[in-house]
Amino acid sequence: AQTVTQSQPEMSVQEAETVTLSCTYDTSESDYYLFWYKQPPSRQMILVIRQEAYKQQNATENRFSVNFQKAAKSFSLKISDSQLGDAAMYFCAYRSARSGGSNYKLTFGKGTLLTVNP
Amino acid sequence: KAGVTQTPRYLIKTRGQQVTLSCSPISGHRSVSWYQQTPGQGLQFLFEYFSETQRNKGNFPGRFSGRQFSNSRSEMNVSTLELGDSALYLCASSSRTGNGYEQYFGPGTRLTVT
Repeated sequence: AQTVTQSQPEMSVQEAETVTLSCTYDTSESDYYLFWYKQPPSRQMILVIRQEAYKQQNATENRFSVNFQKAAKSFSLKISDSQLGDAAMYFCAYRSARSGGSNYKLTFGKGTLLTVNP
Repeated sequence: KAGVTQTPRYLIKTRGQQVTLSCSPISGHRSVSWYQQTPGQGLQFLFEYFSETQRNKGNFPGRFSGRQFSNSRSEMNVSTLELGDSALYLCASSSRTGNGYEQYFGPGTRLTVT
């Protein structure tokens, strides 16, 4: 079974600065998808960024980028120019790329609570 | 395009009762997944439906069940509620293809069992 580990329960950053959230995962599969989700205090889970394991290029979405190290099974999220609205719980998630019923689910880490200081 | 909707948003029930939660996916999405979120256990997968068929089930007791209708709307039911069932229940829908990998979440239903 796959596992996802987020070793930083809490992080803080000053507004306009850069912060990196860590995520490691364990899997025996070679093809999979990785995601970062954001859950603000209102509780709506929002997809921030995704990465396909077969792609070597790191995904980027505006101020959000990832550092995907497949051999190390590491998937960190970098938030540049942090804004007050970035304050939220961030979850790293894994999904197998295999078809078949048992693979249609996300496995989440425990989350990292990000505080943005003005 | 409307997002995933869940009803009700908040619910208070008593131990031993049963509850039904509803989820309407994004238009055109045929896959619906359910997750339970608690402070202690985090986010745990409950089950996933596609075209009215349950394709996957998480490690939850049989008191937790679900179904999906022909319009892709889904319901989950919890019978004989226990205090430990208090949680935020999240529904997520996936894209048009059967193997769609991006899941979009609803706002959740906050269930409190007293």
